Amino acid sequence: EAQVTQNPRYLITVTGKKLTVTCSQNMNHEYMSWYRQDPGLGLRQIYYSMNVEVTDKGDVPEGYKVSRKEKRNFPLILESPSPNQTSLYFCASRRQGFLYGYTFGSGTRLTVV
Amino acid sequence: GIQVEQSPPDLILQEGANSTLRCNFSDSVNNLQWFHQNPWGQLINLFYIPSGTKQNGRLSATTVATERYSLLYISSSQTTDSGVYFCAVVATTNNDMRFGAGTRLTVKP
Repeated sequence: EAQVTQNPRYLITVTGKKLTVTCSQNMNHEYMSWYRQDPGLGLRQIYYSMNVEVTDKGDVPEGYKVSRKEKRNFPLILESPSPNQTSLYFCASRRQGFLYGYTFGSGTRLTVV
Repeated sequence: GIQVEQSPPDLILQEGANSTLRCNFSDSVNNLQWFHQNPWGQLINLFYIPSGTKQNGRLSATTVATERYSLLYISSSQTTDSGVYFCAVVATTNNDMRFGAGTRLTVKP
């Protein structure tokens, strides 16, 4: 089944403890992206990647890192999480070019205490 | 950047009623999608519709790209249609997908 898989689905962590949210897609998509969703602010893009080793900042990149060493994986790294990073996170992918829609993962609900 | 406005922000219906959700955008787009976010938070892709009309069961969507709007029609609504409906676009000028603020639909039995 074609899908975007995020792990974990739920995570509670403490301030300052490094964490990684994984994202993997099995559709050979070139483009991948991370979003966060917050009440009243909607979905905002954190980082995106056009292809392997090509990443760029979205609207809210502060406090996050990403890497794209392989085409299928696009992990989101929080080096020193803070409570304001408590949010619902989504990974998405699509084929390069504008004839294709996005496929979203199931989301990761992160709580930083 | 491109602005995406959805209306109405909230909608309450009785089961069986029909509804129309609207998405206006401020610039030319290459990509427009409608998503349904269910009560568990999952984003379900409903339509990829940068232009034209599509139908899938009780749902249909129309995008008039030249006039910069899209409509999502829900007919004979069911309680399982409840949730938030998002319109998201990709402007011709960049690769970012921008989301509207969503329409929260509540269907009462």
